[in-house]
Amino acid sequence: DAGVIQSPRHEVTEMGQEVTLRCKPISGHNSLFWYRQTMMRGLELLIYFNNNVPIDDSGMPEDRFSAKMPNASFSTLKIQPSEPRDSAVYFCASSPRDGYGYTFGSGTRLTVV
Amino acid sequence: GENVEQHPSTLSVQEGDSAVIKCTYSDSASNYFPWYKQELGKRPQLIIDIRSNVGEKKDQRIAVTLNKTAKHFSLHITETQPEDSAVYFCAATGSSGSARQLTFGSGTQLTVLP
Repeated sequence: DAGVIQSPRHEVTEMGQEVTLRCKPISGHNSLFWYRQTMMRGLELLIYFNNNVPIDDSGMPEDRFSAKMPNASFSTLKIQPSEPRDSAVYFCASSPRDGYGYTFGSGTRLTVV
Repeated sequence: GENVEQHPSTLSVQEGDSAVIKCTYSDSASNYFPWYKQELGKRPQLIIDIRSNVGEKKDQRIAVTLNKTAKHFSLHITETQPEDSAVYFCAATGSSGSARQLTFGSGTQLTVLP
């Protein structure tokens, strides 16, 4: 298995632009999680899906952030409009049905200038 | 919700010595406690985990202990090597309905000095 696949690996964008991050979970995993990592706040859970359904989005910082999971093999995290304070590493992770053993993707390093 | 506190935030040890990282959690319903290692610029990777039905688990030089009464768990690394240098995160979770949601500690930067 190729693991959790995220794209792009790096993204540099100007303030105000729309940013879309992509994630392909491990085949057969039924839970998907989006995390944001910064030096100040550590690893923060933004949103998670179970069987493609959003379960808890209380970690999404504000309405500029949205996430979708149209099918079991694909999810997106969108920021519109982006701001410099959104600069961080965004990780996607997936876990199997029993929930034991998250696997993280390689992350997307987002820089908003 | 769950709250996980991790100490120390930084730890330096001499090669060959042992390292211990401690975490406490708040939700008595939590029953799964994984530890992740994150090297600079890379993804967090699971190194060991423990479930609430056991008090200790060991895998070569790494061990984790769990005290459910006190709501704390610890990572022990023996015979440390330079390649053990990384940030280590503890996490805790219960089963919240349909999925298992991890709450992470703030991380410990471990440096193994040669």
